[in-house]
Amino acid sequence: GDSVTQTEGLVTLTKGLPVMLNCTYQTTYSPFLFWYVQHLNEAPKLLLKSSTDNKRTEHQGFYATLHKSSSSFHLQKSSVQLSDSALYFCAWGYTGGLSGKLTFGEGTQVTVIS
Amino acid sequence: NSKVIQTPRYLVKGQGQKAKMRCIPEKGHPVVFWYQQNKNNEFKFLINFQNQEVLQQIDMTEKRFSAECPSNSPCSLEIQSSEAGDSALYLCASSLLGGRSYEQYFGPGTRLTVL
Repeated sequence: GDSVTQTEGLVTLTKGLPVMLNCTYQTTYSPFLFWYVQHLNEAPKLLLKSSTDNKRTEHQGFYATLHKSSSSFHLQKSSVQLSDSALYFCAWGYTGGLSGKLTFGEGTQVTVIS
Repeated sequence: NSKVIQTPRYLVKGQGQKAKMRCIPEKGHPVVFWYQQNKNNEFKFLINFQNQEVLQQIDMTEKRFSAECPSNSPCSLEIQSSEAGDSALYLCASSLLGGRSYEQYFGPGTRLTVL
């Protein structure tokens, strides 16, 4: 069935270093991919979105490129900050369909240390 | 910043009790979603509405959960008879478009604890 996979459950890194969080999806439909970030006790917030193949999308220093050939939408940042410590979720949805619900990956907990 | 409002933020119930939570979507958003986020941070879609009509719901929602989005009133999700396994964060999200995936804006959630 349709699914989203995030391979890293927990990532710990030092401030200033780059980070890449993996996201792959499986579907027979045309996908719409999202990254959400959830800080402790806060609402998940939309970070990035894309349905365009091979086009880089950026926001707040984070960037990702949807590659339909490899079914991937990896999240990257060139230099992490302490405030980037949070849960990151990749999510997949239809570009056409009945309800518009999102299917989320398992999430990656990112901890940035000084 | 999202302006989805959820109340209450915390809810504690005994097994078998009803648990009701409410959501006010962002102004102008006709589509409302409910998700359950468990202690392992896994999301489960429960049900969604476009205006007052159900678009999609899962089996669990049909049996023990009831939800509605009445006109000019908050949307609500109610568990008829709470079970320990229902302890989770219940997230409401709203969106501009239905019938396709579009960015969804989340509220802070209602954290339900079933004793």
